[in-house]
Amino acid sequence: DGGITQSPKYLFRKEGQNVTLSCEQNLNHDAMYWYRQDPGQGLRLIYYSQIVNDFQKGDIAEGYSVSREKKESFPLTVTSAQKNPTAFYLCASKGQGLPDTEAFFGQGTRLTVV
Amino acid sequence: AQKITQTQPGMFVQEKEAVTLDCTYDTSDPSYGLFWYKQPSSGEMIFLIYQGSYDQQNATEGRYSLNFQKARKSANLVISASQLGDSAMYFCAMRFYNQGGKLIFGQGTELSVKP
Repeated sequence: DGGITQSPKYLFRKEGQNVTLSCEQNLNHDAMYWYRQDPGQGLRLIYYSQIVNDFQKGDIAEGYSVSREKKESFPLTVTSAQKNPTAFYLCASKGQGLPDTEAFFGQGTRLTVV
Repeated sequence: AQKITQTQPGMFVQEKEAVTLDCTYDTSDPSYGLFWYKQPSSGEMIFLIYQGSYDQQNATEGRYSLNFQKARKSANLVISASQLGDSAMYFCAMRFYNQGGKLIFGQGTELSVKP
């Protein structure tokens, strides 16, 4: 079955540590996105990528880094520079071209700083 | 600046009645797409409906319809015949075709359906 897989589902991090969240898709989508969601809030765009080896900052990129070495994979690293990383992280992918299509989402990773 | 605004943090509706969830947006781009998603308490994002900026007719998908008023920059979601399972967070989203496909979301509206 085609879809997006995020791992792990739950992640605990000590203060000052970097952690990497995995996002893999087998939908052959060119575009991939990372969002952060805080309790009771909307989704805020961290980074997005339209093609391999290229990505753009979203609205809240500070303290995060990404890579897009393969079409299928778009890992997100939460660095120690992110002051408040505890949140729910969602990855999405999307096909290109018109007519437009919806973005497909992973199940999310809940990151907690301990 | 591009922005999506959902002004209703929470809404209540009686089962079997219709409800409208508001969404307004701000952009100078002529080409964009509008989406609505549902997020149950489990956290998954469920696609509901899509409207393109050049579409002449309002989109419909089953019990969902999108009231698209381009001049007013609004894209309200109408859910007809509400069901208990419709209780969830609802997000309006916008994709900017002239900006590399950037996709941003509103703050969400929490809908509660009463029996």
